[in-house]
Amino acid sequence: NAGVTQTPKFRILKIGQSMTLQCTQDMNHNYMYWYRQDPGMGLKLIYYSVGAGITDKGEVPNGYNVSRSTTEDFPLRLELAAPSQTSVYFCASSYSRQGTDGYTFGSGTRLTVV
Amino acid sequence: AQKITQTQPGMFVQEKEAVTLDCTYDTSDPSYGLFWYKQPSSGEMIFLIYQGSYDQQNATEGRYSLNFQKARKSANLVISASQLGDSAMYFCAMREPERGNQFYFGTGTSLTVIP
Repeated sequence: NAGVTQTPKFRILKIGQSMTLQCTQDMNHNYMYWYRQDPGMGLKLIYYSVGAGITDKGEVPNGYNVSRSTTEDFPLRLELAAPSQTSVYFCASSYSRQGTDGYTFGSGTRLTVV
Repeated sequence: AQKITQTQPGMFVQEKEAVTLDCTYDTSDPSYGLFWYKQPSSGEMIFLIYQGSYDQQNATEGRYSLNFQKARKSANLVISASQLGDSAMYFCAMREPERGNQFYFGTGTSLTVIP
C-alpha cells in the first residue's frame, strides 16, 4: 500500500527556474492538498482539490499552480522560482469530509531556491 | 485571527512522566474535527488522535489522550509515560468540513524527552 507518494524528495532550483512537484495517491481519495512548511512553522495550505477537475486556492497560492486531471494525481507547479519558496512541501489526501478521517501525508519535498 | 494556537514552542519532560501540550482553536463552524500530528526529525507527519466537535467523551489512543474542553475551545494533548521516541514536533490541527475539508495547523510544540 503506497499511500501518498511525492517526488522528488529534494531539489535545488535557481531563481527563475520552474519545476513540478509530483503527488500520487492510490487510496481513491477525493480530497487532495498541497501544504508548505517553513522552518519552525506549521503547515500552510497552498491549493486543494475536492475531486478530479476541481481545484481551489488555499492560504498561500501565489507563485504556484495545480491541476487535477485524475483522482490519483495532484501535481504542484512552481513558475519563476523565488527564494521565498524555499520550504518543505507536503502533499496530503483524505477520503471524506467527516469522521475520523485525517490526512494521509506524503513524505515531503525539501525545496531550496538559490 | 489564528485558527489554531499553540503557545508552547518547546517543552521538556522526564522519561516516564506525563506531559500536556496545549492547543486552543477558533471557529464558528458547529461541526469540526481536531487532530494531533507528530513530526519526528525524519520529517514525516504521523496522525496521533482525533476529536470530533460532537463527541461527548475525550478521545484516547494508547498513551495519547485529548483533553477536549469545548466551551474553552481547547484541545490539549496528554502523553502519558513519556518515552525517548516521543521527542518530536507536535502539531494541533482543525478541520472545517465546509471549507473543502481543509486543515488549519498550529505552529507546533517541540517536545524533548529527557532520560
